[in-house]
Amino acid sequence: DIVMTQSPDSLAVSLGERATINCKSSQSVLYSSNNKNYLAWYQQKPGQPPKLLIYWASTRESGVPDRFSGSGSGTDFTLTINSLQAEDVAVYYCQQYYDTRNTFGQGTKLEIK
Amino acid sequence: EVQLVESGGGLVKPGGSLRLSCAASGFTFNTYSMNWVRQAPGKGLEWVSSISTSSIYIYYADSVKGRFTISRDNAKNSLYLQMNSLRAEDTAVYYCARDGVGAHRVFDYWGQGTLVTVSS
Repeated sequence: DIVMTQSPDSLAVSLGERATINCKSSQSVLYSSNNKNYLAWYQQKPGQPPKLLIYWASTRESGVPDRFSGSGSGTDFTLTINSLQAEDVAVYYCQQYYDTRNTFGQGTKLEIK
Repeated sequence: EVQLVESGGGLVKPGGSLRLSCAASGFTFNTYSMNWVRQAPGKGLEWVSSISTSSIYIYYADSVKGRFTISRDNAKNSLYLQMNSLRAEDTAVYYCARDGVGAHRVFDYWGQGTLVTVSS
């Protein structure tokens, strides 16, 4: 299975500042035939199911604020949250769907400093 | 409005069985692949199983293969997970999740989950 490793495990950022979460896959999730990265990001708030934020590494899901952005290719990816809001406090997960047996990162807990 | 409502969770002894259900509404169920994803208490997300629209393609995580069976009834807009030979490590909230519109195997809608506790 493809192993997804996120860093850091937790971080605290001040309101209005930028938060950056990294995700590394144990093998490339870039599919050469369509040049797409099979990487998604989810947000999970306490007591709620996860919410899809980004797929194809950088495509925002409908309704997701544009302060959320994804970047990266191959094995290294980043979720960036600009102008952090109080409602962004959550655990964030990356997921690879390159393999039919898709896998998630361990999660990154984002808090307000 | 898309809705996914899981049911069937509860307390079961090790070695026991349980059948989870997911009732879907608000979309054309038979045109979407469906999935089960679980989350152990205080832990991260683990994909469990996927099933294609007509049940031709079915996949399982190694951790549940041979013990769990996913199925669907398109006439009833329902997804199921039959769980046998349950172990303590199967204790988790089980979520039903729909395949995304923009990408296959991305989960764009999730239910609220149903808790399965395996304990003697």
